[in-house]
Amino acid sequence: QSALTQPPSASGSPGQSVTISCTGTSSDIGGYYYVSWYQRHPGKAPKLMIYEVTKRPSGVPARFSGSKSGNTATLTVSGLQAEDEADYFCGSYAGNNNFVVFGGGTKLTVL
Amino acid sequence: QVQLQESGPGLVKPSETLSLTCTVSGDSISRYYWSWIRQPPGKGLEWIGYIYHSGTTNYNPSLKSRVTILVDTPKNQFSLELNSVTAADTAVYYCARHKGPPPLDYWGQGTLVTVSS
Repeated sequence: QSALTQPPSASGSPGQSVTISCTGTSSDIGGYYYVSWYQRHPGKAPKLMIYEVTKRPSGVPARFSGSKSGNTATLTVSGLQAEDEADYFCGSYAGNNNFVVFGGGTKLTVL
Repeated sequence: QVQLQESGPGLVKPSETLSLTCTVSGDSISRYYWSWIRQPPGKGLEWIGYIYHSGTTNYNPSLKSRVTILVDTPKNQFSLELNSVTAADTAVYYCARHKGPPPLDYWGQGTLVTVSS
């Protein structure tokens, strides 16, 4: 069982938008602005897609966006493309002792 | 381009010590923080601990009694030792970099370690 809760799967057709939720508690997502999202293709290193809830690293398409409300963070992928098919997991700072907690991951399928 | 690569035995016997190394290229290990994370089959990711280049460490309380993370600055590597392993320690182990609080901005591709006799 993961500290953060994500749906196991999500899907959409090319060009559509899809959202992936990540629910935690006031001790992690709700308490800090250090929520991040990662993309992982099979056998590849996870790639940072969103950090500090809404920021995109250089090189990440603007189609990827993040938000947070209370204890739930959301990743939105707009204008879905075939290469977006991957596993996405969230992470949140959880204080100095636990440092970072993660979600179980959501497999995004582009139909 | 920052790259991290995990290496070490893929099979460890119960009660023995799991040892992994993360080799960093494209950046100096004498900057930032360096973490180990793992993902057991069918489960979510779990942060194991981190080390700062100065040698300061911080470990997950649930693993603290069994974990040691060290840094080898001349080799630009850091390592993980997890002792008294059981089947529950079977997982894909990742190393990653961060500049302080999350995010972990660069990751290795992970290495599967199986605990079995």
